Amino acid sequence: GQNIDQPTEMTATEGAIVQINCTYQTSGFNGLFWYQQHAGEAPTFLSYNVLDGLEEKGRFSSFLSRSKGYSYLLLKELQMKDSASYLCAVRLYSGAGSYQLTFGKGTKLSVIP
Amino acid sequence: EAQVTQNPRYLITVTGKKLTVTCSQNMNHEYMSWYRQDPGLGLRQIYYSMNVEVTDKGDVPEGYKVSRKEKRNFPLILESPSPNQTSLYFCASSVAGPYEQYFGPGTRLTVT
Repeated sequence: GQNIDQPTEMTATEGAIVQINCTYQTSGFNGLFWYQQHAGEAPTFLSYNVLDGLEEKGRFSSFLSRSKGYSYLLLKELQMKDSASYLCAVRLYSGAGSYQLTFGKGTKLSVIP
Repeated sequence: EAQVTQNPRYLITVTGKKLTVTCSQNMNHEYMSWYRQDPGLGLRQIYYSMNVEVTDKGDVPEGYKVSRKEKRNFPLILESPSPNQTSLYFCASSVAGPYEQYFGPGTRLTVT
């Protein structure tokens, strides 16, 4: 079966850097996404990795190692508005040109002053 | 404005009464998907559609039906809802995919 693990909760201080890890054991891996979800709202897209390495987008960076089944999301210069859940999701090739998306359970990040 | 809309946003119903949750996108996206979100379980994919007339089961399809007769619409049908289908439901779409998905605002369903 597919398995995606990420920490349930994390706390970090405003202005600091935090790294949220995601490990996966899947078959048919075809890319990894990070989404942000504020309480009571819909998820919004943050980043996408399909090849190994680091993708940087402003204060947010995402890293992927396919051989290790590992990714992380790095948030720099934390702001209070970064308090949210961060969802790791893996795109899986299901065959016949079809792609499925499986999410981890999410990491709730609390940013404190 | 590019968006995914869902209706209704809130629904309380009784066991066994058929219902449909509509989803529509105005971005000409090929890929559409339905998810449910439950505390402690995260987002789980119910069904997805790579394009018109093409639908596939996700991780938790039991008790649900979908159809994709037109590109913009992807309704979720619960033929005989049960209390274990009480959940927060999200519809999402992407250009092809799934790639960068745009999510609707969610439908909170309670089945008593």
